Amino acid sequence: QVQLVESGGGLVKPGGSLRLSCAASGFTFSVYSMSWIRQAPGKGLEWVSYIGRSPSIIYYADSVKGRFTISRDNAKNVLYLQMNSLRAEDTAVYYCARDYVSRVIDPWGQGTLVTVSS
Amino acid sequence: EIVMTQSPGTLSVSPGERVTLSCRASQSVSSNLAWYQQKPGQAPRLLIHGASPRATGIPARFSGSGSGTEFTLTISSLQSEDFAVYFCQQYNNWPITFGQGTRLEIK
Repeated sequence: QVQLVESGGGLVKPGGSLRLSCAASGFTFSVYSMSWIRQAPGKGLEWVSYIGRSPSIIYYADSVKGRFTISRDNAKNVLYLQMNSLRAEDTAVYYCARDYVSRVIDPWGQGTLVTVSS
Repeated sequence: EIVMTQSPGTLSVSPGERVTLSCRASQSVSSNLAWYQQKPGQAPRLLIHGASPRATGIPARFSGSGSGTEFTLTISSLQSEDFAVYFCQQYNNWPITFGQGTRLEIK
């Protein structure tokens, strides 16, 4: 079955960096667009970044533009999110998610918690 | 950015009741509207896309309607497993945006 497994979260100081990974299995990874979506503790959902089947199609939320970089390795079936210059407001569970159809999102991974605190 | 507003924020209902959740977009999103269910400690799950078609495996008691700026999600007869938070999402324009959620709690 389709599985998305995130890793790489943890505690980081403000200004620090983290790289999240999402290992995909159970489907042909290279033909699907993928997204990162986050959820601050007790809050709603915020879409962070999107990468198309072709890595040339990339979008970012304004809140992370210039600090985060999304990428994919279709040979390894892995999605990445490089997060630099982290801020306290970046604290959230980060979900990796696949396009169900045209930016409708399903399924989602189980999420990885990123905590930015001194 | 399109702002999605859900109402009410919390709804207290009894099992077996029919419930309607609302989602309003700050500008037209055509029918490019999805609904998700999230249970505590779990990732969201897709229920509805294209404003009304159910995703694979979603029970028929869930139905969606609307277009443009006004949308509803109706659960015809609440089951115990339906008590959760529901989010709407527009995917008509970048950036993709979500509503703040409606929490269904047991009365």
